[in-house]
Amino acid sequence: QVQLQESGPGLVKPSQTLSLTCIVSSGSITSGDYKWSWIRQTPGKGLEWMGYIYYDGSTNYNPSLKSRVAISLDTSKNQVSLNLTSVTAADTAVYYCARAVLSSPTVRFDPWGQGTLVTVSS
Amino acid sequence: SYVLTQAPSVSVAPGQTASITCGGDDIGSKSVHWYQQKPGQAPVVVVFDDSDRPSGIPERFSGSNSGNTATLTISRVEAGDEADYFCQVWHTSGDHFYVFGTGTKVTVL
Repeated sequence: QVQLQESGPGLVKPSQTLSLTCIVSSGSITSGDYKWSWIRQTPGKGLEWMGYIYYDGSTNYNPSLKSRVAISLDTSKNQVSLNLTSVTAADTAVYYCARAVLSSPTVRFDPWGQGTLVTVSS
Repeated sequence: SYVLTQAPSVSVAPGQTASITCGGDDIGSKSVHWYQQKPGQAPVVVVFDDSDRPSGIPERFSGSNSGNTATLTISRVEAGDEADYFCQVWHTSGDHFYVFGTGTKVTVL
């Protein structure tokens, strides 16, 4: 069954760009049945959907983050990437990669990666 | 924005029934998914589309949704059910985005 594994720096300085990758195994990111999402979790704000990308490269982002977030695919490596610019301490969170299963008319997130903690601090 | 409100905590004795509610404006018109998250682990779907269960999830987990409240019910609660539970919907008024509830910590006494 499909597995997702996030990776990236655990510490990012304020005003810099947070970059994470998610390697998808035992499943292709080019499948039209799924979208590939990033979700983050903080003690204060709980779970926050950041956005997702479809196999054709189309994206949908949370309006609250839209000006700072970008999600991309690397089909040669079967991985999904997240970039979040101009980070502040408020972006400190556990970041999850998750497969969005199309469940008309909505999606559910299943499965999730194990998550990676990113701390924004100088 | 669209807010999903959950009680912070619910305590239940083993063998009893736990009811976890998720309140939102006209949530009954939306499909609700429920996630279980144990400490240090990622969330896992336990109910989707209001009341369906993924394979491998016990029948003890059930869901309902009507009006302004969706409910996840755990029957015959076991110690292993102790976890945080989150609801999730797709908000489609204006901007389209996915919203999670504030989460409920279920403690098995």
